[in-house]
Amino acid sequence: AQSVTQLDSQVPVFEEAPLELRCNYSSSVSVYLFWYVQYPNQGLQLLLKYLSGSTLVKGINGFEAEFNKSQTSFHLRKPSVHISDTAEYFCAVSYTGGFKTIFGAGTRLFVKA
Amino acid sequence: EPEVTQTPSHQVTQMGQEVILRCVPISNHLYFYWYRQILGQKVEFLVSFYNNEISEKSEIFDDQFSVERPDGSNFTLKIRSTKLEDSAMYFCASSDRVGNQPQHFGDGTRLSIL
Repeated sequence: AQSVTQLDSQVPVFEEAPLELRCNYSSSVSVYLFWYVQYPNQGLQLLLKYLSGSTLVKGINGFEAEFNKSQTSFHLRKPSVHISDTAEYFCAVSYTGGFKTIFGAGTRLFVKA
Repeated sequence: EPEVTQTPSHQVTQMGQEVILRCVPISNHLYFYWYRQILGQKVEFLVSFYNNEISEKSEIFDDQFSVERPDGSNFTLKIRSTKLEDSAMYFCASSDRVGNQPQHFGDGTRLSIL
């Protein structure tokens, strides 16, 4: 079955510290990978996407992620986080020719001063 | 930037009643989706809709659910006889192509069943 695993349910970090949020997916076919962010009481905002090409993708607000096919991972990184990055982050995958996007359980990021 | 808009933002309904959640997708998009997020749980796919028919649905999307595009701009999700477990945030999304997308999400409708 297709699935997405986000290993960390909650991640506390200090402001200006580096960040990595982990994501692994199960797949035997070509995939498209996404990270979405959800601020409190808001919808899902696309941070970045991997469709093809370079395995390092850059998104909004200084976020980036690296697609690793051999490890079936798509970890999200940011060199230095801000208080305003406090939110829930969802890794998601869709499959070639498929209609649905499958979401991970989410990682709640708390950035502390 | 164009947005997906959803109304209402919060809907409170008695168990057993019908509810219709409304969405206006991005105007040039052709593929439409509904997802739900039960409080504290992951976002789950419900249904996708293209060319005036359902293209894919999950096991959650049973006979109590239906979708419709009644005109050129709206996309609705109807729950015929709501149950307590239907309480969730419902997200509408749209994309301009399938597979090679991201889907653009609305801010959601919080449905509370009493």
